[in-house]
Amino acid sequence: KNQVEQSPQSLIILEGKNCTLQCNYTVSPFSNLRWYKQDTGRGPVSLTIMTFSENTKSNGRYTATLDADTKQSSLHITASQLSDSASYICVGPPRGGYNKLIFGAGTRLAVHP
Amino acid sequence: NAGVTQTPKFRILKIGQSMTLQCTQDMNHNYMYWYRQDPGMGLKLIYYSVGAGITDKGEVPNGYNVSRSTTEDFPLRLELAAPSQTSVYFCASSYSLSSGTYEQYFGPGTRLTVT
Repeated sequence: KNQVEQSPQSLIILEGKNCTLQCNYTVSPFSNLRWYKQDTGRGPVSLTIMTFSENTKSNGRYTATLDADTKQSSLHITASQLSDSASYICVGPPRGGYNKLIFGAGTRLAVHP
Repeated sequence: NAGVTQTPKFRILKIGQSMTLQCTQDMNHNYMYWYRQDPGMGLKLIYYSVGAGITDKGEVPNGYNVSRSTTEDFPLRLELAAPSQTSVYFCASSYSLSSGTYEQYFGPGTRLTVT
């Protein structure tokens, strides 16, 4: 059973529009949660790492929120650009040690002109 | 800094053949990792290393072997390739901080097909 579930699986939006991607996790205890961006044919790149004391964190047009009580996180993209077309991966709290991250399957975002 | 580099980018193997996927990092990270990414699935940890000479199994280690003789290099060996090992393989590296908020840096990946 995947302990990090992401929705939607895929999303198409028009350039300039906003969107929100969702992540639910069941792994506990909580230490940190991450969001990665993966361009087609490339390795994932970190967007943000959130600790249990943070409920919102921004990185440019990307804003991640975290609700540790409901075990939900979201990634909001503002004023989307064509270059935002990618997969966005939520990474749940490490299990069995800080280095064993749990990766969601990702949301594939396509931004159309 | 080149970051994390992987070779080859693509490879086609026949069933039963062997090969080594190379991974090198120039950031002096003590931790290194190998993942595989299958379509529609999250990355799965194959093996990881916390420093030269120390390796440990991840979630899906069967059919693979690793070694870590230097800080920079972490090769992944496939001994008897099987179709189930068709995947995209990513190497990553990081420091390890007590807070756990380290960042993992990923290589560009190796796309392997076993037929």
